[in-house]
Amino acid sequence: QQQVKQSPQSLIVQKGGISIINCAYENTAFDYFPWYQQFPGKGPALLIAIRPDVSEKKEGRFTISFNKSAKQFSLHIMDSQPGDSATYFCAARSTSGTYKYIFGTGTRLKVLA
Amino acid sequence: EADIYQTPRYLVIGTGKKITLECSQTMGHDKMYWYQQDPGMELHLIHYSYGVNSTEKGDLSSESTVSRIRTEHFPLTLESARPSHTSQYLCASSGDRGLLRGYTFGSGTRLTVV
Repeated sequence: QQQVKQSPQSLIVQKGGISIINCAYENTAFDYFPWYQQFPGKGPALLIAIRPDVSEKKEGRFTISFNKSAKQFSLHIMDSQPGDSATYFCAARSTSGTYKYIFGTGTRLKVLA
Repeated sequence: EADIYQTPRYLVIGTGKKITLECSQTMGHDKMYWYQQDPGMELHLIHYSYGVNSTEKGDLSSESTVSRIRTEHFPLTLESARPSHTSQYLCASSGDRGLLRGYTFGSGTRLTVV
């Protein structure tokens, strides 16, 4: 079964610091890698996404780094703010059969004021 | 603003009751999904649909059932609620056509079975 492994499970960062969340996948049958941000009591919302033919994508303080050969991708949050405190999920879209998105297990980020 | 709507937002119900969680989307998406999630925890796919009259069970076994009679509507039903069904249920839809956009999630239904 295709899997996306996410780490760490939880992360505490000081305000202004850099938050880094990592994901790794096990096979190459993925063609799109989004990250979702979820606040308590809400559904996950698309934050930023990348295709495998790009090594980096930046949107404001959020950057995805993608390493195709290592089958790894990561989310970097620069100048982390208390308002960034949320659960973050990486995902990968499978190209085999059903084109479902496979989600990582989530990272709880807490940014201290 | 939400283009996918879930009702109710919160539900407390007694054991043995039948319940239906509603999910509707206005985006014309073919694909719809139901996930079960304990607060802040992993997302577990319990049902999905790729179009009208198409439904499939997800990766996590669930005693719930779904139907897809209309493109925009994907309700989830529990025939006899139990305390083990207490969880958050998230509905999502996807309309990846050429331009990939991922899933759009609803705000969820927080179900408590007492």
